[in-house]
Amino acid sequence: ELKVEQNPLFLSMQEGKNYTIYCNYSTTSDRLYWYRQDPGKSLESLFVLLSNGAVKQEGRLMASLDTKARLSTLHITAAVHDLSATYFCAVDIEANKLIFGTGTLLAVQP
Amino acid sequence: DAGITQSPRYKITETGRQVTLMCHQTWSHSYMFWYRQDLGHGLRLIYYSAAADITDKGEVPDGYVVSRSKTENFPLTLESATRSQTSVYFCASSEPDVGELFFGEGSRLTVL
Repeated sequence: ELKVEQNPLFLSMQEGKNYTIYCNYSTTSDRLYWYRQDPGKSLESLFVLLSNGAVKQEGRLMASLDTKARLSTLHITAAVHDLSATYFCAVDIEANKLIFGTGTLLAVQP
Repeated sequence: DAGITQSPRYKITETGRQVTLMCHQTWSHSYMFWYRQDLGHGLRLIYYSAAADITDKGEVPDGYVVSRSKTENFPLTLESATRSQTSVYFCASSEPDVGELFFGEGSRLTVL
């Protein structure tokens, strides 16, 4: 059974601190996506990682993909309150079918 | 406006009733998807479609029916709603080469 596991499930951090969210998956895939969801809202695409070793950065967020380890990371640098949201990773298993992790609820405290 | 729209946004129904959630996209994307979101489960794929008249089951298809007679529409029907189908439903679309999914605003369904 395919599993996409994120950890931690909940992360409370102070503004200005750094932290990493991990996404492990159990099947072969070279496509992985990160999404952000604000409470009561839809999902917003953050990063598209399409090959082993891919690294993408946008502002205080950086995502990477290691397909051999079946691991993706989402690194947060110098967190700010506006980054508070739920973050999902999703693995493409075939033909754009994405299997999502359970999400990481990030709360950035002043 | 271009994009992907879902209707209704909110729906309350009773057990045993039939409910149809509508999804319409203006990008002419080939692929369309239905997901449900529940606490503790993230998003789970219900059905997907690679093109008009081509649909296939996802992770949790039981109790749901889909059709895709036109590229831009992908309705999801609950033929006999159950309480366990209370959830937030998201429709999404994508193009094959890119793979990135674009989501609608969601439909919140409550089954009493």
